[in-house]
Amino acid sequence: AQKVTQAQTEISVVEKEDVTLDCVYETRDTTYYLFWYKQPPSGELVFLIRRNSFDEQNEISGRYSWNFQKSTSSFNFTITASQVVDSAVYFCALSGGSYIPTFGRGTSLIVHP
Amino acid sequence: GAVVSQHPSRVICKSGTSVKIECRSLDFQATTMFWYRQFPKKSLMLMATSNEGSKATYEQGVEKDKFLINHASLTLSTLTVTSAHPEDSSFYICSARDKPGQGSGEAFFGQGTRLTVV
Repeated sequence: AQKVTQAQTEISVVEKEDVTLDCVYETRDTTYYLFWYKQPPSGELVFLIRRNSFDEQNEISGRYSWNFQKSTSSFNFTITASQVVDSAVYFCALSGGSYIPTFGRGTSLIVHP
Repeated sequence: GAVVSQHPSRVICKSGTSVKIECRSLDFQATTMFWYRQFPKKSLMLMATSNEGSKATYEQGVEKDKFLINHASLTLSTLTVTSAHPEDSSFYICSARDKPGQGSGEAFFGQGTRLTVV
């Protein structure tokens, strides 16, 4: 009924590399919301972005950018010029009116100096 | 945007004691709240769904007597871990959905609570 797939379990890059974290979702809702959260080693969830299903504009915030494509049910997240402080687990989440909010399994990003 | 506040963000308790985690919707009424738990190296798994004024619905395998959920008002749900043991140490997060017809129907997430039982 509703599912979020983050196929990349762990990604390892060297500082200054660009990295894209994939998120593919499934839902029967026509209105839904997609989220990205960062969970640094300290544990708390840090909100990064929320996007509703009617807004397919890509968004850029500093080194972060998001590519939302309804045609492929994807909401990918790119970090440009990665830094060591970007090392964290990143979760994609989906919330629709009919279903329980669902998290993906998370992608662990390791940025090496 | 709507805000969901979770308190405390971190708590350490002794084995055998109980600890309460609060989840508040700050600027909207939440008829439904969800509680999740994160196991090591794993994603956030749904524990239970609570509707205001009624009993929570627990997912399979979640002990309802151990994880007491109360959703007494439209802005507050609490999760009480009773007689906590070290294996209950985890990251717990809540989510709140606004009232159908009065809001977007989307759910908002709290920042999470790190529970450590010693």
